Amino acid sequence: DIQMTQSPSSLSASAGDRVTITCRASQSISGYLNWYQQKPGKAPNLLIFAASNLQSGVPSRFSGSGSGTDFTLTISSLQREDFATYYCQQSYSIPWTFGQGTKVEIK
Amino acid sequence: QVQLVESGGGVVQPGRSLRLSCVASGFTFSSHSMHWVRQAPGKGLEWVASISHDGGNKYSADSVKGRFTLSRDNSKNTLYLQMNSLRAEDTAVYYCAKEIVSATWGNFDYWGQGTLVTVSS
Repeated sequence: DIQMTQSPSSLSASAGDRVTITCRASQSISGYLNWYQQKPGKAPNLLIFAASNLQSGVPSRFSGSGSGTDFTLTISSLQREDFATYYCQQSYSIPWTFGQGTKVEIK
Repeated sequence: QVQLVESGGGVVQPGRSLRLSCVASGFTFSSHSMHWVRQAPGKGLEWVASISHDGGNKYSADSVKGRFTLSRDNSKNTLYLQMNSLRAEDTAVYYCAKEIVSATWGNFDYWGQGTLVTVSS
């Protein structure tokens, strides 16, 4: 199975900050990497698919990059509604696996 | 708009069975693979099972293999998860999710609201 490791596990930031979350795969997954946002008590929401493609309806302050084993989710200017937990997920091979999550909290 | 509505969750004793359903609307259900993903209380996301658009291909996580069975009825726009021999560690919110486009695999663009399964004596 491909292991997905996110860092950091949590972070505190202020509105307007630039935030970067990293995801590392245990083997190369090419560009088969998705990012999700989850708010408490809600279902996850797809933000980025295939490493760098913004899902329809997602604000442009979200962006993704990377290939192979190292990937990044960037929020260019954090908004209050962005405080949530973020997960990466590989779609390279079954079993599809998720990172452990990164909780973005208000400083 | 796309809607996925799960049902069938509840409290069940260890070793018993439960069947979850997911009714889809707002897209051509028969053209998309579908998935189940679960989340134990306070934990992260875990993929459970996937089924191709026509039901011809099914895959499941090792943790549920041999106990959970995935099926779909394209005439009813409904996805099912039959869960047998339930264990305490199966306690979770179960989400159904839609594949992003018909030609891809493993990308979850729409999710239901989830249904809670609690396995406890």
